[in-house]
Amino acid sequence: QSVLTQPPSVSGTPGQRVTISCSGSSSNIGGNTVTWYQQLPGTAPKLLIYGDNQRPSGVPDRFSGSKSGTSASLAISGLRSEDEAHYYCASWDDSLNVFGTGTKVTVL
Amino acid sequence: QVQLQESGPGLVKPSQTLSLTCTVSGGSISSADYYWSWIRQHPGKGLEWIGYIFYSGSTYYNPSLESLVTISVDTSKNQFSLKLSSVTVADTAVYYCARERAPVGYYGLDVWGQGTTVTVSS
Repeated sequence: QSVLTQPPSVSGTPGQRVTISCSGSSSNIGGNTVTWYQQLPGTAPKLLIYGDNQRPSGVPDRFSGSKSGTSASLAISGLRSEDEAHYYCASWDDSLNVFGTGTKVTVL
Repeated sequence: QVQLQESGPGLVKPSQTLSLTCTVSGGSISSADYYWSWIRQHPGKGLEWIGYIFYSGSTYYNPSLESLVTISVDTSKNQFSLKLSSVTVADTAVYYCARERAPVGYYGLDVWGQGTTVTVSS
């Protein structure tokens, strides 16, 4: 059971902006940075955001991360069909790397 | 660029030890800049962090698995390994190895292997 809670699913039409929330507590998000991963079907996760809001080289600026208190969010603007995937947040919690429950993004 | 590749048996019997190896290519596992992790994903489920190792041999494990897990490193072969003892069907999962830049927790797991499926069954 993950201590980071995400909505099971989010959907949007091409071009839309969608956001994924990640709710935690003071022992994880509230005191440590958040990372986000994208997992396309049948593939390994890919790092999307680190340090709460930093994008690795090669990640489009359509993806952005933010954090406030014990919650974090991932926003995808200009939604594209290739964004259909599972998305996971992650943070450290009492010396344990914890992942969120995961959100399936569907492009309608 | 650095690539990771998992290898090991795809089928393990209950109560036996699961053993996997991750081979690092395109870079040195002996770099002081990185930690090397194992993560697993149960069928249709989310991600679970198992633990990590530093090139010096220092390890840190998920407390829920600590009594059953051993992660080791072989710098001469540029590999690190996972052993999970006394496996049950609940250990059936895709196992990934991944790299994280130091300090852990900030830069995230930036390079992943493709994953290897391990089924626990008699």
